Amino acid sequence: AQSVAQPEDQVNVAEGNPLTVKCTYSVSGNPYLFWYVQYPNRGLQFLLKYITGDNLVKGSYGFEAEFNKSQTSFHLKKPSALVSDSALYFCAVGDPIMEYGNKLVFGAGTILRVKS
Amino acid sequence: DAGITQSPRYKITETGRQVTLMCHQTWSHSYMFWYRQDLGHGLRLIYYSAAADITDKGEVPDGYVVSRSKTENFPLTLESATRSQTSVYFCASSERTGGYEKLFFGSGTQLSVL
Repeated sequence: AQSVAQPEDQVNVAEGNPLTVKCTYSVSGNPYLFWYVQYPNRGLQFLLKYITGDNLVKGSYGFEAEFNKSQTSFHLKKPSALVSDSALYFCAVGDPIMEYGNKLVFGAGTILRVKS
Repeated sequence: DAGITQSPRYKITETGRQVTLMCHQTWSHSYMFWYRQDLGHGLRLIYYSAAADITDKGEVPDGYVVSRSKTENFPLTLESATRSQTSVYFCASSERTGGYEKLFFGSGTQLSVL
């Protein structure tokens, strides 16, 4: 069965510094990996996904993620953090259903706090 | 451009009562999902649907019932609410394509069972 792990409950970073939110995965077959962000009292919003191709994936709001097959990791990164990046971040892996469907298996989430 | 909407936004009920959470999407997406969000567990899949009249269990289906008579609606019913079902519930949808498409989420329903 597909699974993801987010080893850090919370990440604290100063504004302007680079940030990394970690994710490792376990899949049978090719991994289809996603990052979502949740702001307070809101639903989840899609940030980026890795399906195939370039190991560095660029997404919304200046975020990017690096896929590393040998380490089974898909860490979320941003070169310069903003206070407005403070939110709950979820890593997810696609679990195929039927022929063209996909349901997501989520990690427990990582709270990102960016301080000014 | 309504997207995906959930109602009610907040709900308080008592143990043993039946509760229905509504989900409506305007995109005609084939796939719809119900997740619950709990501290320490992230999001866990309750039920999903691949099309109208096609539903299947997810990771934590016990105590829940779903139906999908129309593509746009996917209600979730708690047959006899328990305190352990206090949670935030999210509905999501995705297109039917040949690839692995992203999910679009509603704003959630915060349910408290007293």
